[in-house]
Amino acid sequence: ETGVTQSPTHLIKTRGQQVTLRCSSQSGHNTVSWYQQALGQGPQFIFQYYREEENGRGNFPPRFSGLQFPNYSSELNVNALELDDSALYLCASSLESVMNTEAFFGQGTRLTVV
Amino acid sequence: GNSVTQMEGPVTLSEEAFLTINCTYTATGYPSLFWYVQYPGEGLQLLLKATKADDKGSNKGFEATYRKETTSFHLEKGSVQVSDSAVYFCASDNYGQNFVFGPGTRLSVLP
Repeated sequence: ETGVTQSPTHLIKTRGQQVTLRCSSQSGHNTVSWYQQALGQGPQFIFQYYREEENGRGNFPPRFSGLQFPNYSSELNVNALELDDSALYLCASSLESVMNTEAFFGQGTRLTVV
Repeated sequence: GNSVTQMEGPVTLSEEAFLTINCTYTATGYPSLFWYVQYPGEGLQLLLKATKADDKGSNKGFEATYRKETTSFHLEKGSVQVSDSAVYFCASDNYGQNFVFGPGTRLSVLP
């Protein structure tokens, strides 16, 4: 067990709605990264937060946004949901914003958009 | 930007067979390389990693060697078990920030 917890584990939303996913990072870790894993594909980097600031972003539109809190937990918000947003969303926490240190992944949130 | 290519799956082997899953990368500079494993219904678990050329990562009988000359990081195991059935992802780090993952290779091991 990695100590990284994500909630909820599953949810179903309707196209056009908004969703918030949550991630509690491993104790002491100050960096959280979010990834989208579509069915049958590898995870794609969405963005990273380091000490409450966005520290890099992948090729995702602005309707994907995030927050990191003083306790280093994090949220991923997606507005105006589209069918293609259906995926497993993974968060990873690490000690610094350098991935050479070991990153720990949560179990993921499975989002289905109908 | 960086990219990672893996052999297409699925791969089906009998128990105790030899496993190779090919992985090649393109990158500016010399990224660290990783193999992650994903069991059904779970997140990603780090299997092994290598941070510089000629390093060999190893864990649970799996090995991979960082080959700069061929830009490869092939995963091998001498004798697979049914419990090794999972999806395996090769990944590189992108300037030490995020991971760039390959598409994954599904392995099924039959008793």
